[in-house]
Amino acid sequence: DVKVTQSSRYLVKRTGEKVFLECVQDMDHENMFWYRQDPGLGLRLIYFSYDVKMKEKGDIPEGYSVSREKKERFSLILESASTNQTSMYLCASRNVREQYFGPGTRLTVT
Amino acid sequence: SQQGEEDPQALSIQEGENATMNCSYKTSINNLQWYRQNSGRGLVHLILIRSNEREKHSGRLRVTLDTSKKSSSLLITASRAADTASYFCATDEYGNKLVFGAGTILRVKS
Repeated sequence: DVKVTQSSRYLVKRTGEKVFLECVQDMDHENMFWYRQDPGLGLRLIYFSYDVKMKEKGDIPEGYSVSREKKERFSLILESASTNQTSMYLCASRNVREQYFGPGTRLTVT
Repeated sequence: SQQGEEDPQALSIQEGENATMNCSYKTSINNLQWYRQNSGRGLVHLILIRSNEREKHSGRLRVTLDTSKKSSSLLITASRAADTASYFCATDEYGNKLVFGAGTILRVKS
């Protein structure tokens, strides 16, 4: 059974903190993605990676960075968390056909 | 940028009725996919329809694609309370990434 896991389901951080969201997939996929999901806005792509150490900006990369040191792991980093980054964060990996999503991390920045 | 736009934003029906959701998009696509999201969870792939296909079935799901109108519809027949979820269309624009719409919230009342 294919699996994408995310390090936390719920996370509460303070403004200005550095936040790491981890994502691991066990399907040997090359492509991995980070989205944020907000009510009424659907899924918005933050960053994606199509190979180890490769990354591409998505639609809303400001305030975020990513790291892909190993094929199975794709990390999203909030360098200095702000309240407008309170959201649901979804990680995904894909093969040629479909994307597989993790369960999501609900991040609250206070 | 948001490619798929779902319509309606929300839909409430009785168990046993059919549910139809529509998706419009703007550019040429390789394929169009539908995903389902249960409350507070990650998305799950439902069905993929290629640009050269007009209709596809999977169990109680029927998807149509009209590339001339740049639109797709998802029909769920004989709905059940367990179908209550958000449904998203996503377009594959010949690249590595999918572009998701804002989704339709479906509520099936028992």
